[in-house]
Amino acid sequence: DAGVTQSPTHLIKTRGQQVTLRCSPKSGHDTVSWYQQALGQGPQFIFQYYEEEERQRGNFPDRFSGHQFPNYSSELNVNALLLGDSALYLCASSYWTGATRIQNTEAFFGQGTRLTVV
Amino acid sequence: SQKIEQNSEALNIQEGKTATLTCNYTNYSPAYLQWYRQDPGRGPVFLLLIRENEKEKRKERLKVTFDTTLKQSLFHITASQPADSATYLCAPRNYGGSQGNLIFGKGTKLSVKP
Repeated sequence: DAGVTQSPTHLIKTRGQQVTLRCSPKSGHDTVSWYQQALGQGPQFIFQYYEEEERQRGNFPDRFSGHQFPNYSSELNVNALLLGDSALYLCASSYWTGATRIQNTEAFFGQGTRLTVV
Repeated sequence: SQKIEQNSEALNIQEGKTATLTCNYTNYSPAYLQWYRQDPGRGPVFLLLIRENEKEKRKERLKVTFDTTLKQSLFHITASQPADSATYLCAPRNYGGSQGNLIFGKGTKLSVKP
């Protein structure tokens, strides 16, 4: 089991550009969540995808968008990059258990993509 | 608003001692609380989960307590080792909502000196 895989591992972009980050969830998981982690901070929830739809969203602007594919993999897109978007972007996978979702205990994180905006 | 505070940004201890990390939360009624470990440049790794009706949970050298009256969780590492050096994150979870929507504290960076 490869676990959660993210690509690329590192990325340098210029302010104003657009970026796409990719995530493949752990085998058997159907839900993907994205987090942004600035240096010295805890991960901040961006949004979550399940059944190819955005299900929940954190306090992030519309410049942050995403997509989930039928194979459950996901992309995070950020438009009009700002210097403040420089961070470690984490993908976490889990699985939906409906009304008993609380039984799905842990989230599995990928190694992250380090985005630097210059 | 919901707030999570972890006792200190950094904790330095000597090898063999017990490390105790604190997680305090406000404006939460968590159904359970999770602790994660994060190494530099890596994603968090799940360590332990404790439910609201559990006072204590153990896993090898790790112990977590959960006091819903004090709105606090304590995370202990006994017989600490330099390999335990990492940032530890707590994430309380309310009932309902999505499993993926974790809200983390800033974390406590633990350094265990040989």
